[in-house]
Amino acid sequence: EAQVTQNPRYLITVTGKKLTVTCSQNMNHEYMSWYRQDPGLGLRQIYYSMNVEVTDKGDVPEGYKVSRKEKRNFPLILESPSPNQTSLYFCASSPGTSGKNIQYFGAGTRLSVL
Amino acid sequence: GESVGLHLPTLSVQEGDNSIINCAYSNSASDYFIWYKQESGKGPQFIIDIRSNMDKRQGQRVTVLLNKTVKHLSLQIAATQPGDSAVYFCAENIGNQFYFGTGTSLTVIP
Repeated sequence: EAQVTQNPRYLITVTGKKLTVTCSQNMNHEYMSWYRQDPGLGLRQIYYSMNVEVTDKGDVPEGYKVSRKEKRNFPLILESPSPNQTSLYFCASSPGTSGKNIQYFGAGTRLSVL
Repeated sequence: GESVGLHLPTLSVQEGDNSIINCAYSNSASDYFIWYKQESGKGPQFIIDIRSNMDKRQGQRVTVLLNKTVKHLSLQIAATQPGDSAVYFCAENIGNQFYFGTGTSLTVIP
């Protein structure tokens, strides 16, 4: 089944403790992206990648890192999480390198930073 | 950042009626637009998209209209069903980035 898989689905952590949220897609898509969703603010793009080894900042990249060593994986790294990073996170992928295509979203990761 | 807004945060319609959800965008450089549906506890799901060289696009029970003059996008759902109850987002693409609206919550009354 074609899908975008995020892990974990739920995570509670403490301020400053490094964490990684994994994202994997099995559709051979070039474009991958991370979003955070907060009440009243909609989805905001954190980082995106147009292909392997190519990553770019989105609208709200501060406090986050990403890597794209393989086409299928696009992990989101929080080196030193803070409470304002408590949010619902979504990974998405789409065919092509421009992003101007249908994005397929994962089921989301709900993160709480205490 | 870009501003993609929705005219109404909530919308209630009777089952069988048509629904119209509106969206305004601010950047005339936007050249690709998508409507997503998000059900509770799930990720956004693609509904329909439209490129800036088009004014209208139709899918199954859904139509998207794009008015570039006033930077306005609308989603029309025909014969709305209970399964259409969800939050609907519009998104615009500029370059390689996406900007989402804050969403409209659609409730279908049986």
